[in-house]
Amino acid sequence: ILNVEQSPQSLHVQEGDSTNFTCSFPSSNFYALHWYRWETAKSPEALFVMTLNGDEKKKGRISATLNTKEGYSYLYIKGSQPEDSATYLCAFSSGDAGGTSYGKLTFGQGTILTVHP
Amino acid sequence: EAGVAQSPRYKIIEKRQSVAFWCNPISGHATLYWYQQILGQGPKLLIQFQNNGVVDDSQLPKDRFSAERLKGVDSTLKIQPAKLEDSAVYLCASSLLAAVTGELFFGEGSRLTVL
Repeated sequence: ILNVEQSPQSLHVQEGDSTNFTCSFPSSNFYALHWYRWETAKSPEALFVMTLNGDEKKKGRISATLNTKEGYSYLYIKGSQPEDSATYLCAFSSGDAGGTSYGKLTFGQGTILTVHP
Repeated sequence: EAGVAQSPRYKIIEKRQSVAFWCNPISGHATLYWYQQILGQGPKLLIQFQNNGVVDDSQLPKDRFSAERLKGVDSTLKIQPAKLEDSAVYLCASSLLAAVTGELFFGEGSRLTVL
């Protein structure tokens, strides 16, 4: 069973603050790392899919980095806005073709972000 | 482009009753997934279909859960009989390809409460 850990579990920030959170995953047999944003009463929405060590991706005020050798990814939000309030999920996929987890996405428990006006 | 459709959005039942959830994926998406998300936990894959064939159902509690994808399009997930611990959000997702380097497109989920 693969272990994907996210920290912190929840975060409260003020509007305008920058914030970041972490996703830790097994460093062996890496295949892909996904980030999703899940707003209340809506569908989870893909932010990034990252496959290469050292990858950095950006979408507006949100960016993510990937370190497959040490098994972590950071998600950064610059100048948080109330509309950024959501649960942020990361998901890891193993490249171990002989393993039972090959090609499956294993999700972390999420980081709940609340941005106060 | 229409997104992934799920129904019902909310369902409350008593334990030992049955319930069914329906999912219509994005047109042309060959792969369909059902995830169970229990409060405080990450989504857990229950079953994955490629067209109308099952790719992975290793975490599906087959004594009470069943799923089908007729004609490789719509899918239903059934729970019979329900237990208290089945209270969760059931998310349906689809993707164009089976490989997970492509993003998943999720529906809004079906929230089940078992009393």
